[in-house]
Amino acid sequence: DAGVIQSPRHEVTEMGQEVTLRCKPISGHNSLFWYRQTMMRGLELLIYFNNNVPIDDSGMPEDRFSAKMPNASFSTLKIQPSEPRDSAVYFCASSFDPTSGLEQYFGPGTRLTVT
Amino acid sequence: GENVEQHPSTLSVQEGDSAVIKCTYSDSASNYFPWYKQELGKRPQLIIDIRSNVGEKKDQRIAVTLNKTAKHFSLHITETQPEDSAVYFCAAVDSGGGADGLTFGKGTHLIIQP
Repeated sequence: DAGVIQSPRHEVTEMGQEVTLRCKPISGHNSLFWYRQTMMRGLELLIYFNNNVPIDDSGMPEDRFSAKMPNASFSTLKIQPSEPRDSAVYFCASSFDPTSGLEQYFGPGTRLTVT
Repeated sequence: GENVEQHPSTLSVQEGDSAVIKCTYSDSASNYFPWYKQELGKRPQLIIDIRSNVGEKKDQRIAVTLNKTAKHFSLHITETQPEDSAVYFCAAVDSGGGADGLTFGKGTHLIIQP
């Protein structure tokens, strides 16, 4: 298995532009998580999905952020409009049914720089 | 919501010595406590985890202990090696039947001195 796949790996954009981050979870996993990592705030949960349904989006910083999971093998995190303070590494993670194990597998991350 | 505190933020030990990282959590309903290791520029990777129905778990040189009464858990690394140098994160979650998002500590930068 290729593991969790994220694209792009690096994104540099100007303030005000729309940014879309993509994630493909591990096949068969039914939970997907978006995290953001910064030096100041550490690793923060933004939103997670269970069986493609958003369960908790309380970590989404503001209305400029939105996430979708149209099917079991794809999710997007969109920032519109982007701001310099959105610069961070965004990780996607997935996990299997909790009755079998709770381990979350992280993707390689997308390093976002907003100038 | 859950709040996880982690100490110390930086830990420097001599190669071969032991390292201990401590975390406390606030939500007594939390029942799953993983530890992740993150090397520079890489993704977090699970190294060990413990559920609330056990007090200790060991895997070779690493072990985790959990004290539910005091709401704290610790990571122990024995016979440290240079490749143990990394940032370590503890996390906690109340996984009440569904996979839930982790609340992470701020991380401990472990430095192994040769």
